[in-house]
Amino acid sequence: DGGITQSPKYLFRKEGQNVTLSCEQNLNHDAMYWYRQDPGQGLRLIYYSQIVNDFQKGDIAEGYSVSREKKESFPLTVTSAQKNPTAFYLCASSEWDRSTDTQYFGPGTRLTVL
Amino acid sequence: RKEVEQDPGPFNVPEGATVAFNCTYSNSASQSFFWYRQDCRKEPKLLMSVYSSGNEDGRFTAQLNRASQYISLLIRDSKLSDSATYLCVVNGGPGGYNKLIFGAGTRLAVHP
Repeated sequence: DGGITQSPKYLFRKEGQNVTLSCEQNLNHDAMYWYRQDPGQGLRLIYYSQIVNDFQKGDIAEGYSVSREKKESFPLTVTSAQKNPTAFYLCASSEWDRSTDTQYFGPGTRLTVL
Repeated sequence: RKEVEQDPGPFNVPEGATVAFNCTYSNSASQSFFWYRQDCRKEPKLLMSVYSSGNEDGRFTAQLNRASQYISLLIRDSKLSDSATYLCVVNGGPGGYNKLIFGAGTRLAVHP
């Protein structure tokens, strides 16, 4: 089955710890994205990557870091510098083509800081 | 002003009802428009793209009014399974990447 997988589904972290969220896709999409969703708010873009070994900050990149060493993978690290990390994190991918920019989402990781 | 604005609802409707959601966007350069559906504690899933001429997919009809920067979604003959949050999504406009701007969503609850 083609799709996007994220792991873990739930993650608990103590304050001061870094954690890494996994995102893998087998859709052969060039572009990948990370969003966070807070209750009552729209999705906000953290980072995105158009191609391997390249990524750009989104609207709320502070306290986060990413890497894109493989086309299929785009892990997100939530660092201890992120002040309010408790949220629902969603990874998405799309073709990098102006004729279509539909994004497809993974099932998400729910992060809770204790 | 928010880039994409939606009425948060909830819209509580009986089965079989027709319900309409509206959305306004601020960037007149936006070129792509979508409705996504998000079930509770799940990821958003594409419901339909919205085209200038309007488009229909079964019980769902989407309309776009570029002059008023307004998008709508009409659901006819509502089913219990339509209960979800509906996200209005707009392309951020010409730029170097496919930035999508998400509304906060409109919640729909269909009851028997």
